[in-house]
Amino acid sequence: GDSVTQMEGPVTLSEEAFLTINCTYTATGYPSLFWYVQYPGEGLQLLLKATKADDKGSNKGFEATYRKETTSFHLEKGSVQVSDSAVYFCALSDRDTGGFKTIFGAGTRLFVKA
Amino acid sequence: KAGVTQTPRYLIKTRGQQVTLSCSPISGHRSVSWYQQTPGQGLQFLFEYFSETQRNKGNFPGRFSGRQFSNSRSEMNVSTLELGDSALYLCASSPGTGGNNQPQHFGDGTRLSIL
Repeated sequence: GDSVTQMEGPVTLSEEAFLTINCTYTATGYPSLFWYVQYPGEGLQLLLKATKADDKGSNKGFEATYRKETTSFHLEKGSVQVSDSAVYFCALSDRDTGGFKTIFGAGTRLFVKA
Repeated sequence: KAGVTQTPRYLIKTRGQQVTLSCSPISGHRSVSWYQQTPGQGLQFLFEYFSETQRNKGNFPGRFSGRQFSNSRSEMNVSTLELGDSALYLCASSPGTGGNNQPQHFGDGTRLSIL
């Protein structure tokens, strides 16, 4: 079945450091890929998405490129801020017998120190 | 546009009781999904409702059930509560049609604690 694997956390960085959170997936179909972010005490929010191979999703300085050949969707940011501290979830959406399903990775907690 | 609303935000119950959680999706969204989030198991899919019908189901025991009303509002019920049911329960809505590129819109969750 479909699955999403992302790097374990926590990831601890200093402010202005470069961020990479790795995400790989397996899918039977041709999924759309997403990154969500969860701040303390809140639900998940969509950060960015990509719907086909070589698409790059971007938002708030974060980027991720849909790599079909390596089945990856790594999240990157050139210079992190303390306010980026949160849990990041990689996810895919694929067709299922009942419609569409979304599969989430385990989440990666990011701490950014001032 | 109002977001996804979940009520209540916090609940404390004891073992053996039952609980009902409510979710109001974004206006126009017909799909509502429920997830259980715990530190150990991460985000686990419970079920999805679309137009009042359960369209997908995760691997949870029958004590977990749900329903969706004609206005797309959804409720989730857990009977015979166990200590392990303590979790954050998240509801997410989406249009439910138009392809697999539709993101999920999440509420802030209901924090359920079992004593």
